[in-house]
Amino acid sequence: NAGVTQTPKFRILKIGQSMTLQCAQDMNHNYMYWYRQDPGMGLKLIYYSVGAGITDKGEVPNGYNVSRSTTEDFPLRLELAAPSQTSVYFCASSYSRGFQHFGDGTRLSIL
Amino acid sequence: AQTVTQSQPEMSVQEAETVTLSCTYDTSESDYYLFWYKQPPSRQMILVIRQEAYKQQNATENRFSVNFQKAAKSFSLKISDSQLGDAAMYFCSNNNDMRFGAGTRLTVKP
Repeated sequence: NAGVTQTPKFRILKIGQSMTLQCAQDMNHNYMYWYRQDPGMGLKLIYYSVGAGITDKGEVPNGYNVSRSTTEDFPLRLELAAPSQTSVYFCASSYSRGFQHFGDGTRLSIL
Repeated sequence: AQTVTQSQPEMSVQEAETVTLSCTYDTSESDYYLFWYKQPPSRQMILVIRQEAYKQQNATENRFSVNFQKAAKSFSLKISDSQLGDAAMYFCSNNNDMRFGAGTRLTVKP
């Protein structure tokens, strides 16, 4: 039982490049989330989804896009990467608004 | 915006002693869940304990317990018999609005 799987674990991007952070869960959870965690800070919600085909903005959505075509997958797209997006990104899933299962995170550096 | 506030950026406790981490929150909902998560240096987010708002009884999980004061919107975490492995960042969360507090870094002294 893999839980929540995030890929890649580390990535370095140049300013202006684009990339997609992948997230997959095998627990048949309806809710999925993307957070970013800046050094020494808490988690800030970027986007979330309550089911396939339904997504909504969180606290810090600017510069990001998401899609949810299946229950299992919830990719996060960065277009035109900026240094301010250097962070650790966490994907999570939950059954309804229960406790969240987290992936191991993706450390992203933009230089 | 609804918020979760952890007023203690850092706390320290002697091994085997008890420590309490504070959390306050703001919500307009009447039915919600509150959680404490632990984040060790490995960066994993691990659920410590959860509390359903409709339950008056405080949740307990082994050495971890909460003091839930619904009227005051307070949700503190008590760690008894602290162990070296308890050293980590601790985050409080209100899952109704999917927000986390800024965290408390707990140091355990041998």
